[in-house]
Formats: sequence, C-alpha cells, structure tokens
Amino acid sequence: ETGVTQTPRHLVMGMTNKKSLKCEQHLGHNAMYWYKQSAKKPLELMFVYSLEERVENNSVPSRFSPECPNSSHLFLHLHTLQPEDSALYLCASSQQGGQGTGETQYFGPGTRLLVL
Amino acid sequence: GNSVTQMEGPVTLSEEAFLTINCTYTATGYPSLFWYVQYPGEGLQLLLKATKADDKGSNKGFEATYRKETTSFHLEKGSVQVSDSAVYFCALSDRGGGADGLTFGKGTHLIIQP
Repeated sequence: ETGVTQTPRHLVMGMTNKKSLKCEQHLGHNAMYWYKQSAKKPLELMFVYSLEERVENNSVPSRFSPECPNSSHLFLHLHTLQPEDSALYLCASSQQGGQGTGETQYFGPGTRLLVL
Repeated sequence: GNSVTQMEGPVTLSEEAFLTINCTYTATGYPSLFWYVQYPGEGLQLLLKATKADDKGSNKGFEATYRKETTSFHLEKGSVQVSDSAVYFCALSDRGGGADGLTFGKGTHLIIQP
C-alpha cells in the first residue's frame, strides 16, 4: 500500500449505531487530519494531530471522537449521528517541517458516509 | 480569520480552450497557497503550490502565481483536455512548518467538452 488509505470506502449507518472510520498513512508523516466534505460547502477541517497529540478541534460535536494511536493511524469514532452528518470524510497527512516549507497535505480517497 | 474565495462554476469549456480559475484569499500571516484537484470518486490530489510572493507553481500544464499585492493565486492552463474535467480547490496554510489544517475554497467544477 502506498500513500494514504481509508476504510471503509462507503458506510451506511442508523442514528443509533456506533462505527469507526480508519485512516492509515504510509508516507512516514508526523501529522494527520480529518476533514468533512459536504455538498455545496467548503471542506471543513475537523481535527488535527501532530506527533500523535491533538492540536486542533474545530468545534466538532462530541458525537465525533478522534483517536490517533500512533503516527501512521488515525480513527474517527462515530456514535448517535444525525442525517446532516452524511458527507465524504477525508483523511490527510503531512510532514511537519521548518518555516516556509509550505507543507503539502496528502489525502486519502475518503469514506462516503450516509446516516439514515 | 482566513478565507479563500474562488469561482464555483460549473465552468464549461471546449477542448483546447484557455482556462482561468480565479482564487483570492485573506490571511493573517504569510500563507502558502495550493491548488488541489478532485476527480470523481477520489480524494484530493495536490496539483501545484507556492510558498512565497511571486513564486509560480506549475504541474501538468497548469500554472499559478502567488500575487501578494492582489492576494490572488489564479489557476491557468493554455489548452485544456477532456481529462482535465474535475473539481479544483484553492487552499491556503498560514502556519509554515507547523501542523495546520488547510483553509479551502468551495471548489470549481470544470467540465471540458470534446
């Protein structure tokens, strides 16, 4: 496997279910991200992990719970979601570097989530 | 706060036409600027980037120049192909070196007709 992988690619869940999204990066990066992509809206940053510590949480509802057990893996645990949470969830990684490196984020293919 | 504004489209062009997708930004610091492309059913791929004023990013025939005086980073291509049909996102990062989420525009859907 190369780059950033995400599983599952598609997920349908009821509002009372609990599920998890998984992201794995094979690039040796030290920072990972979760984004939400909804129709007609800009990509929304949800969480940032740097060196396995959460450094940003953009007012995301508590029904979304991230976990970063090591620098290569990132999870998004989902529980009691709402229909408006249906979206494409994208994971990305980057290498945190020196000033002016203009760090590039590499994205996975996303998980298409539908909440019924 | 930071923001990115780009034309939303859809933009429909004929093959071999000249392409411009406008992007302007507001940022508190000295951002790095990016163009990403998303093909149907896929994640985002980096197309090009520029890290300081007057830098020009280029890739696959696409170009964009970092214009600090106009806070712009317009994407251009001299002759588009059907395979360029996709959604294009302009984005910025203003924490050089630190882990920082990108701020994205809403995306421009580009359709190239044969």
